[in-house]
Amino acid sequence: DTEVTQTPKHLVMGMTNKKSLKCEQHMGHRAMYWYKQKAKKPPELMFVYSYEKLSINESVPSRFSPECPNSSLLNLHLHALQPEDSALYLCASSQAENPREAQETQYFGPGTRLLVL
Amino acid sequence: QKEVEQDPGPLSVPEGAIVSLNCTYSNSAFQYFMWYRQYSRKGPELLMYTYSSGNKEDGRFTAQVDKSSKYISLFIRDSQPSDSATYLCAMTNAGNNRKLIWGLGTSLAVNP
Repeated sequence: DTEVTQTPKHLVMGMTNKKSLKCEQHMGHRAMYWYKQKAKKPPELMFVYSYEKLSINESVPSRFSPECPNSSLLNLHLHALQPEDSALYLCASSQAENPREAQETQYFGPGTRLLVL
Repeated sequence: QKEVEQDPGPLSVPEGAIVSLNCTYSNSAFQYFMWYRQYSRKGPELLMYTYSSGNKEDGRFTAQVDKSSKYISLFIRDSQPSDSATYLCAMTNAGNNRKLIWGLGTSLAVNP
């Protein structure tokens, strides 16, 4: 089973709202990722967690706050977003045999389509 | 120059055609090469993964890596309308914390 699940599928929020995106995998993967994807663009890496620790933050604004409660779950907390943050938010996971490296084959979830009004 | 170049298309072919999708890259340290398929409004789906040079075949799909030319290809035989999607190449190297470097994606339409 190579399934990564994400909820919700769609989300509409105002600029003053607080919301959270959720991601779950049961493949025993120890690296999890958040990506942002705009239309007709490739995914853009935001955060990487390896063994439940944040290992990469690609200079993402603080209005995006990731959390990894355990090895199967990944959250992305959203607060005071801007309309330009509207995008498809993708979660991915991969094996991580070394805490400093993530195995390269990443499996993606279906994404959460976010609209900020 | 971008690290990975991929013609965004669109590419339109008749059903049953052989499709060739390509990416070039500039970083000779890349060792891991992937092709993802992404349907409209869905997440990317891993199609093929290749380590270093050589060919890999899976059903109607063949991935080729030519490291000497810094060129990778994905061939789709007997293309079907269900193959209509965007195909993204991605690659990385062991020393980059395995961060994927992506091509722009090629939009493919297979017409019945």
